[in-house]
Amino acid sequence: DGGITQSPKYLFRKEGQNVTLSCEQNLNHDAMYWYRQDPGQGLRLIYYSQIVNDFQKGDIAEGYSVSREKKESFPLTVTSAQKNPTAFYLCASNRQGGRRELFFGEGSRLTVL
Amino acid sequence: AQTVTQSQPEMSVQEAETVTLSCTYDTSESDYYLFWYKQPPSRQMILVIRQEAYKQQNATENRFSVNFQKAAKSFSLKISDSQLGDAAMYFCASYYQGGSEKLVFGKGTKLTVNP
Repeated sequence: DGGITQSPKYLFRKEGQNVTLSCEQNLNHDAMYWYRQDPGQGLRLIYYSQIVNDFQKGDIAEGYSVSREKKESFPLTVTSAQKNPTAFYLCASNRQGGRRELFFGEGSRLTVL
Repeated sequence: AQTVTQSQPEMSVQEAETVTLSCTYDTSESDYYLFWYKQPPSRQMILVIRQEAYKQQNATENRFSVNFQKAAKSFSLKISDSQLGDAAMYFCASYYQGGSEKLVFGKGTKLTVNP
């Protein structure tokens, strides 16, 4: 079945460590997105990529980095520069053109101790 | 900057009753799409309904319908015959054509369904 796979589902890290969240899709979608979700804040866009080897900053990119070397993959690195990294992270994708709706993964919960 | 505002942080409804969730958005774009997503306790985001801005007719999906008022930039969601499984966070979102194509979300409304 086609879909978006995020891993790991839960992740614990010590303060000051970088951590990478994986996002893989087999929907043949061109665009991929990373959102951060905090209680009462809705979903805020971190980074997005509309094509391989290209990506743009979203509204809260500071302290995060991404790469898009393959169409299927869009990993997110939470660096030690991110001041408050504990959050729920959602990856999404969509096809350029078409219905514009985003398809989401199941999310990754990062807790920094 | 495009913004989406959901003014009701929490709502409740009795089972089998009707509830309306509010959403307003702000854009200068002429071509855009509006969505309602549901996030149950599992936290999986599920598309509830979609509206294309150029269409005047309000979208409907079974018990879910929208009231799209383009001039007022309003996009409310009506849930009829509410069921216990409708309890979730509901997010309004807008997707703008041209320039950066991305989905902008409101802060969400938590819906409780009382038996």
